[in-house]
Amino acid sequence: AQSVTQLDSHVSVSEGTPVLLRCNYSSSYSPSLFWYVQHPNKGLQLLLKYTSAATLVKGINGFEAEFKKSETSFHLTKPSAHMSDAAEYFCVVSEGSGGYNKLIFGAGTRLAVHP
Amino acid sequence: DGGITQSPKYLFRKEGQNVTLSCEQNLNHDAMYWYRQDPGQGLRLIYYSQIVNDFQKGDIAEGYSVSREKKESFPLTVTSAQKNPTAFYLCASTSGGSSNYGYTFGSGTRLTVV
Repeated sequence: AQSVTQLDSHVSVSEGTPVLLRCNYSSSYSPSLFWYVQHPNKGLQLLLKYTSAATLVKGINGFEAEFKKSETSFHLTKPSAHMSDAAEYFCVVSEGSGGYNKLIFGAGTRLAVHP
Repeated sequence: DGGITQSPKYLFRKEGQNVTLSCEQNLNHDAMYWYRQDPGQGLRLIYYSQIVNDFQKGDIAEGYSVSREKKESFPLTVTSAQKNPTAFYLCASTSGGSSNYGYTFGSGTRLTVV
């Protein structure tokens, strides 16, 4: 079975500094990987996705993630944090079984951004 | 604009009551899902449906029931058999049976037992 591990439950950065949210996955196949963002009491918004095309994936709001098969990692980065980036971020893998796919979610990383 | 509408936003349930959470989508998506979110645990799949009049149990289906009589609608009933229903519930949808394009999520319903 596929699984996702987000290595940090909380990350705190200063505004204007880089953001790194770490994610490792386990998968028997070539996975599809996603990052979602959730602001308080809101639904989840898709930031970016990797589906076996380019290994460096660019998403919305300046975020990007790099798929590294040798390290089974899909870390999320942003060069310069903004106050509005404060939210919870979920790394997600798509698991296929009998023609049906479902998403497996990591436990989440809460990002705090300080002035 | 196309999207998923969940209602109500907040819901309070007394002990022993059944309550129903609404999820409606106008995206023409085939597949719909219900997730439960608890602090520090990510999202866990309750039920999913790939086509009308068909649905499957997810990882934590006990104490919940669903129906899929219309493509647009996938209501979730939290029954009195669910011993710890207080949580944030999210509905999602995707076209076809593949999740490779990601899901579209509703804005959630927060259920509290009083």
